[in-house]
Amino acid sequence: DTGVSQDPRHKITKRGQNVTFRCDPISEHNRLYWYRQTLGQGPEFLTYFQNEAQLEKSRLLSDRFSAERPKGSFSTLEIQRTEQGDSAMYLCASSFAWTGVQNYGYTFGSGTRLTVV
Amino acid sequence: AQSVSQHNHHVILSEAASLELGCNYSYGGTVNLFWYVQYPGQHLQLLLKYFSGDPLVKGIKGFEAEFIKSKFSFNLRKPSVQWSDTAEYFCAVIWGPRNTDKLIFGTGTRLQVFP
Repeated sequence: DTGVSQDPRHKITKRGQNVTFRCDPISEHNRLYWYRQTLGQGPEFLTYFQNEAQLEKSRLLSDRFSAERPKGSFSTLEIQRTEQGDSAMYLCASSFAWTGVQNYGYTFGSGTRLTVV
Repeated sequence: AQSVSQHNHHVILSEAASLELGCNYSYGGTVNLFWYVQYPGQHLQLLLKYFSGDPLVKGIKGFEAEFIKSKFSFNLRKPSVQWSDTAEYFCAVIWGPRNTDKLIFGTGTRLQVFP
C-alpha cells in the first residue's frame, strides 16, 4: 500500500490516560500534517512538519498535545491526560511541497478514532 | 480570520438530478482552492483543485467547480448525480503566502442520492 497509514484505527481510553498515534506518510512526501475532525465538522488543522521540522502549530494544540517526526519519516501524536473533549477522529496527511512551490494537494490517511470514556 | 463556509449542510437528491454545493471563503488574496470527498467509511479524497488560470476546473467523476474571485466563491457542480455520489463533501482553502501550507476546511455538506 503506497498511501498514508495510521495506527491504530480505533482507540478507546479512560480519561486521564495518555495515548499515542502513529502516521506513516507516503515515502516521497516531505510534509506531514495532523488534523482533528469531530462529528459534523470539517477537519481542523493541528500542526505540520517539513521533514523533521515542526513548522506550524495551531492554538488548538494545547500543552497536552505533542507531535514529533524524528528523522523526517513517520510521525507520532501524543495526547497526555486525555479529556472527553479529545474524542475525535485524528487525521494525518502528507504532501510534497516546498516554500514558493505549488502544493498539489494532500493525501489523507483513514484516521484514528479516539474515544475517551 | 480565515474561514470557509459551506451553506448546505445536508442535500438530498434523486439520481440524475443536478448538483450545486456552495463554498465561500472569508477574504481574498492568493488562494488555492480544493474540494475533497469522503465516502462512508473511507478517507478524504481530492476531487479537484484550483491554483490559477481557467476559473472553471474539472475534477474526477464528472465534478467541476467554478472560482468566482469577486464573490470569494468556489462552488462544486455535477450535472447528473448517481447513487454512488452519496458522501460528505468538503471545501478547503490554502491562503498565501506560500510559506504556510495550512488547509482550512468548511464544515462539510452531506449528500444523499436516492435511486
